[in-house]
Amino acid sequence: EAGVAQSPRYKIIEKRQSVAFWCNPISGHATLYWYQQILGQGPKLLIQFQNNGVVDDSQLPKDRFSAERLKGVDSTLKIQPAKLEDSAVYLCASSPPIAGGQETQYFGPGTRLLVL
Amino acid sequence: AQSVAQPEDQVNVAEGNPLTVKCTYSVSGNPYLFWYVQYPNRGLQFLLKYITGDNLVKGSYGFEAEFNKSQTSFHLKKPSALVSDSALYFCAVRVFKAAGNKLTFGGGTRVLVKP
Repeated sequence: EAGVAQSPRYKIIEKRQSVAFWCNPISGHATLYWYQQILGQGPKLLIQFQNNGVVDDSQLPKDRFSAERLKGVDSTLKIQPAKLEDSAVYLCASSPPIAGGQETQYFGPGTRLLVL
Repeated sequence: AQSVAQPEDQVNVAEGNPLTVKCTYSVSGNPYLFWYVQYPNRGLQFLLKYITGDNLVKGSYGFEAEFNKSQTSFHLKKPSALVSDSALYFCAVRVFKAAGNKLTFGGGTRVLVKP
């Protein structure tokens, strides 16, 4: 079975520019997550979707970050405008529709963002 | 609030020796615990999880972990380490809530297995 797909793999931009990342989850996975992983730290959840609805976006910096999953399948994460501290790896994950928190999250390869 | 601590930034072990990566957690309620491994320029790869039942959980690539409720720990172990086990390891915890169930990760432990 195909894994979680992400693009681009690498992106270099200047501060105040905008950038977008794309994620296609594993087929049939209802839940999709975006994480930010700063160098030397564990991943931090930015936003969680259940189908096309937002479940948790409490740690998403909404003044500059936005995400959508319009058709309940693939998703886009946008940063506008980018700051130096946004330099990180952005990981997308998906999980099957199993209730109760027992489900395993499967991660894509990530997008490494460098803001200059 | 839930949290995970991985007290060692790096673990060095000789190939063929036992490997242990430590993890302790803090949650309100019963925890679901996960271990992931991350190789350079790759995403996180699932190793194993504890949901309920037997405290000893066996996972991929010969890894296992033991859930200890009294010590709030979930240490990852491998009886005989391989050079290819050199990677970054993350412990994560989640508690089921009706409004979503966020997975909280530890800071990671780098494992270096020397030939």
